[in-house]
Amino acid sequence: EPEVTQTPSHQVTQMGQEVILRCVPISNHLYFYWYRQILGQKVEFLVSFYNNEISEKSEIFDDQFSVERPDGSNFTLKIRSTKLEDSAMYFCASNQGGLSTGELFFGEGSRLTVL
Amino acid sequence: GENVEQHPSTLSVQEGDSAVIKCTYSDSASNYFPWYKQELGKRPQLIIDIRSNVGEKKDQRIAVTLNKTAKHFSLHITETQPEDSAVYFCAAYGGATNKLIFGTGTLLAVQP
Repeated sequence: EPEVTQTPSHQVTQMGQEVILRCVPISNHLYFYWYRQILGQKVEFLVSFYNNEISEKSEIFDDQFSVERPDGSNFTLKIRSTKLEDSAMYFCASNQGGLSTGELFFGEGSRLTVL
Repeated sequence: GENVEQHPSTLSVQEGDSAVIKCTYSDSASNYFPWYKQELGKRPQLIIDIRSNVGEKKDQRIAVTLNKTAKHFSLHITETQPEDSAVYFCAAYGGATNKLIFGTGTLLAVQP
């Protein structure tokens, strides 16, 4: 069964460093998302991406965050200068034709620890 | 934008009992309501979903009901087992945006 894959599974970084989290969505999917989950809290929407551009972003997704689809398979989330409060689990997700018709598939997550 | 409230935040039941988790949403245009189960340190896993053209959907021990007029939907788990213990999240999608908004989660503990 195809699945969304994410790397790294865990990254530890110093405050102020840049971090790139990588995702490979399911191959025939067209809609891509990043969600964040701070330990013990709910899953929060960060950004959605379709047709090579951001379609929507939350207030969490400020200028320190960016997303990119550098080739036909990867979808990356970059945090330019990490803060302590960026420590969380980051989930990539993808969907084939929009949530009106299909479900959202989540990756295993990348745990980011900012020291 | 959409806001999803979920209750209770924790729920403890005896094995074999039923568990009910309730969610309300704010955007009347929402039309897709999935439920996810999340075990510690793992990704959310879809367990059941419902679209606004139906009022109830059942899959073995799990059922979801939807009341569009009242803007609430519920997850029902019957004959609970210890392996049902996890955090459960409801979510809502619809209207002009293509994103899922999650509820705050319910920690379900099934006591053997």
